[in-house]
Amino acid sequence: GAGVSQSPSNKVTEKGKDVELRCDPISGHTALYWYRQSLGQGLEFLIYFQGNSAPDKSGLPSDRFSAERTGGSVSTLTIQRTQQEDSAVYLCASSPGQGETQYFGPGTRLLVL
Amino acid sequence: EDQVTQSPEALRLQEGESSSLNCSYTVSGLRGLFWYRQDPGKGPEFLFTLYSAGEEKEKERLKATLTKKESFLHITAPKPEDSATYLCAVRPGLTGGGNKLTFGTGTQLKVEL
Repeated sequence: GAGVSQSPSNKVTEKGKDVELRCDPISGHTALYWYRQSLGQGLEFLIYFQGNSAPDKSGLPSDRFSAERTGGSVSTLTIQRTQQEDSAVYLCASSPGQGETQYFGPGTRLLVL
Repeated sequence: EDQVTQSPEALRLQEGESSSLNCSYTVSGLRGLFWYRQDPGKGPEFLFTLYSAGEEKEKERLKATLTKKESFLHITAPKPEDSATYLCAVRPGLTGGGNKLTFGTGTQLKVEL
């Protein structure tokens, strides 16, 4: 079956612009996660959704970062007023339920000039 | 604070030369240790989940084991197609952050002919 998909694959933007990253989880998966992977660093947790609710937002690095999920499916991660340090690969994962194995998408490579 | 340390950072093997990758962890109440494989430009691909000390899982040339402080990923008679970065992650159980994974920085494996 179809895996987790993310769009765009790559995004180049100018400092100060807003960007939106999209994640389509595996069909039927109720849990959805966003992580960030910077060069030379491990994956860093950003936010977790169960259904449309986000019980854990502890990893969002600043109030420029926000995310929403609608219809218990698609999620959008928005970064406002992008900074160069936001450059990274943003990975989305989904799992059948809370606490189960997480399956990752291919990621969105964000470059802020 | 939950921590995951992987060693070595990089490993170069000849085809057929068996070896092991190490993942040491500190976590509040382990509720799962995960191994993923990540190819360049792609998202992590799930390999194994281990839940308790003494547990072992195998898939083709890979075998994962778990103790109370570390996990090993044993690679038997590797082939060039096993070249990838191998990531270890833990899910904590006692601190309320039980739905996010804490990742190590990975071991970059290269298998040469």
